[in-house]
Amino acid sequence: GQQLNQSPQSMFIQEGEDVSMNCTSSSIFNTWLWYKQDPGEGPVLLIALYKAGELTSNGRLTAQFGITRKDSFLNISASIPSDVGIYFCAGLDRGSTLGRLYFGRGTQLTVWP
Amino acid sequence: NAGVTQTPKFQVLKTGQSMTLQCAQDMNHEYMSWYRQDPGMGLRLIHYSVGAGITDQGEVPNGYNVSRSTTEDFPLRLLSAAPSQTSVYFCASSYSFVSPYEQYFGPGTRLTVT
Repeated sequence: GQQLNQSPQSMFIQEGEDVSMNCTSSSIFNTWLWYKQDPGEGPVLLIALYKAGELTSNGRLTAQFGITRKDSFLNISASIPSDVGIYFCAGLDRGSTLGRLYFGRGTQLTVWP
Repeated sequence: NAGVTQTPKFQVLKTGQSMTLQCAQDMNHEYMSWYRQDPGMGLRLIHYSVGAGITDQGEVPNGYNVSRSTTEDFPLRLLSAAPSQTSVYFCASSYSFVSPYEQYFGPGTRLTVT
């Protein structure tokens, strides 16, 4: 199957700091997605990217679809305590007969007040 | 509009027992899928369905069966539970499997097999 490498594995930051995380793949994806998971809940979609080079924002979150189509990154500006959670990248494999979503292993974000 | 619902929320099974995890959505979504989440592993696709009567295997299908008799429901069956199936299971749905690919996830079922 597809391998998505997400880094860092965990981050401990102070409230107000900016955060960066990224995801790389061994193969090309047509769509990159970023999800956030709160404890005890299912993942919630934050940002979807559909074109190489695309830069998309959602409030304090900004994500980019890498030009090579093998990577994506997510930035969170001016972090707040409710940003705590696990952030997952996911790539959509449109090359298969039916689109299949592959997930990274997640970045655990902790924000200190 | 309840979105994606899953039952039960927690379940403990003994090795060899069978059970069905329920998943339902009320958004008239074509695409439904089951994932398992293990610590440090992200989410891995078990089975998916692109419509009533149509299912296919994902990345880790062994030990699980699915069927899709209606648009709304997509149950996951464990035929003979094993400790390796201890995990958190998420059901997800989306309007279509083509872009835009916004999947909505249920709250999850936490399964322990002893």
